[in-house]
Amino acid sequence: TQLLEQSPQFLSIQEGENLTVYCNSSSVFSSLQWYRQEPGEGPVLLVTVVTGGEVKKLKRLTFQFGDARKDSSLHITAAQPGDTGLYLCAGEKLVFGKGTKLTVNP
Amino acid sequence: SQTIHQWPATLVQPVGSPLSLECTVEGTSNPNLYWYRQAAGRGLQLLFYSVGIGQISSEVPQNLSASRPQDRQFILSSKKLLLSDSGFYLCAWAGQMIGVFGSGTRLTVV
Repeated sequence: TQLLEQSPQFLSIQEGENLTVYCNSSSVFSSLQWYRQEPGEGPVLLVTVVTGGEVKKLKRLTFQFGDARKDSSLHITAAQPGDTGLYLCAGEKLVFGKGTKLTVNP
Repeated sequence: SQTIHQWPATLVQPVGSPLSLECTVEGTSNPNLYWYRQAAGRGLQLLFYSVGIGQISSEVPQNLSASRPQDRQFILSSKKLLLSDSGFYLCAWAGQMIGVFGSGTRLTVV
């Protein structure tokens, strides 16, 4: 089973700050997905990255897939309270990391 | 578009009672289906996945079982619930590079 390590586990920041969360593995992935989950709901897919070195942008969110396709990062610019949630990465067969719980304080 | 239905939303069951959670998918055929359990605020633990009718793979030995009686139906069961079975259960469908989740079932075993 391919293991995904996410860091940090918890992150609490003020509105307007920038942040980066990471998803790392010793295995190579053909694709990697990022999800956001709010309490009491199922995760919602944000993006899928496929190509090594790929960068995808979703408004204030920037996703990058490592050149070797073993890691990925999510950068949020000017975080807002609405960005609060659990951010999860997933590889093949929908195996997930443990997530980063982000809290953006107003 | 693909949708996934999961019910019930919440469930309170006594220890030793049976369990049946159902998940159905619309808008796709022969989907890969998954059951997860999630502790409060933490990641998803993969319990079972299925690539077709009657084909179930178990990831974690435990007090639960899964069945897939129809192409778009996935059922999570237990004969006798334990306190440790409490949690948030999620069903998911996975296509090529996409995962779609149900809204989850909050199970409390008392």
